[in-house]
Amino acid sequence: SQTIHQWPATLVQPVGSPLSLECTVEGTSNPNLYWYRQAAGRGLQLLFYSVGIGQISSEVPQNLSASRPQDRQFILSSKKLLLSDSGFYLCAWRPGQPNSPLHFGNGTRLTVT
Amino acid sequence: AQSVTQLDSQVPVFEEAPVELRCNYSSSVSVYLFWYVQYPNQGLQLLLKYLSGSTLVKGINGFEAEFNKSQTSFHLRKPSVHISDTAEYFCAVRNSGYSTLTFGKGTMLLVSP
Repeated sequence: SQTIHQWPATLVQPVGSPLSLECTVEGTSNPNLYWYRQAAGRGLQLLFYSVGIGQISSEVPQNLSASRPQDRQFILSSKKLLLSDSGFYLCAWRPGQPNSPLHFGNGTRLTVT
Repeated sequence: AQSVTQLDSQVPVFEEAPVELRCNYSSSVSVYLFWYVQYPNQGLQLLLKYLSGSTLVKGINGFEAEFNKSQTSFHLRKPSVHISDTAEYFCAVRNSGYSTLTFGKGTMLLVSP
């Protein structure tokens, strides 16, 4: 069966420091991969998605970036964190079929101080 | 473009009472509809999905939803809620031609004894 791993679970970082969040999927190949951010009362905001290795689509201009160095690995990064980057970050995947649902990781709670 | 409106940010209800969480979507083409549940500090878990066929779909934990094309709605219902149903519920839509899922802002279901 397929599983998704996301780490770390919580992270406290100072303003201006770099960020790297990692997400991997097991038990499938060529998944569509997604990064969402969830801020209180604002629902889920799609940040990036990828339909294949090296293919990244950005939904919202940010100081964040994403990379997909391997088929089942999706990384969210920042060179310099801002206070406004605090939030709950969720990685998700789905098969390539258009009617397939998203499957989420357990999320990373990021606090920028 | 696709959008989702969840009209209620919070729904308080007593245990064993019925509940309906409302969801309306905006789309000009055929859609796939989903409901997810999120417990505190966790990722989202798929409750149910509408892809095609019968407009009444049943999901996990005794929840069901009805797709109403004329009213562009996909309301979630449960005839008798439990304390353990306390969580945030998200409605989501994807147009058949899109790779991305658009989420509503969520409805917090608060079940009290």
